[in-house]
Amino acid sequence: TQLLEQSPQFLSIQEGENLTVYCNSSSVFSSLQWYRQEPGEGPVLLVTVVTGGEVKKLKRLTFQFGDARKDSSLHITAAQPGDTGLYLCAGTNAGGTSYGKLTFGQGTILTVHP
Amino acid sequence: SQTIHQWPATLVQPVGSPLSLECTVEGTSNPNLYWYRQAAGRGLQLLFYSVGIGQISSEVPQNLSASRPQDRQFILSSKKLLLSDSGFYLCAWSLLRQGLGSPLHFGNGTRLTVT
Repeated sequence: TQLLEQSPQFLSIQEGENLTVYCNSSSVFSSLQWYRQEPGEGPVLLVTVVTGGEVKKLKRLTFQFGDARKDSSLHITAAQPGDTGLYLCAGTNAGGTSYGKLTFGQGTILTVHP
Repeated sequence: SQTIHQWPATLVQPVGSPLSLECTVEGTSNPNLYWYRQAAGRGLQLLFYSVGIGQISSEVPQNLSASRPQDRQFILSSKKLLLSDSGFYLCAWSLLRQGLGSPLHFGNGTRLTVT
């Protein structure tokens, strides 16, 4: 069973600060996705990374896939209250037929105070 | 554009009662369909997935079952609910692109409370 460990589990910061969320595994993933979820709603995809070492930017969010495709990070610059939510990483198993099944991390609850 | 509908949004059911949650997808054909459960705003646990009509795979043994009577309809059921079935249930769809991490598109979930 492939596991994804996210850290930290909780993050409470002031508006304007920077932060990084980590997603680590001992297993190799063929791709990794990051989702953001608000209370009472389903997760919404932010980004998919598929190549080891890949870096993608989405406005103030920077996503990186580790060279060995076992880990990923999400960095937010100058956080805003609108960034508040649950951030989830999810990986697709490398090799075999995955049928699109994802392994999810336990999530990071981010609170940005004005 | 594709949309996913999941209902009801909230449900309170007594222990021992039956359950039926429904999910439908519009705007795409032959999607993969998934049922996830989320505990206390944390990670998602995959319960069932389906790659076609009548094809259901269960990921964990439990008190629940799933069915796919039509291409874009996915139903989560139970004959007798347990207290431990309480949680936030999410339906999702994707299009199979093996090895590339097909993104999941989630519904807005059903908050189930078993009393």
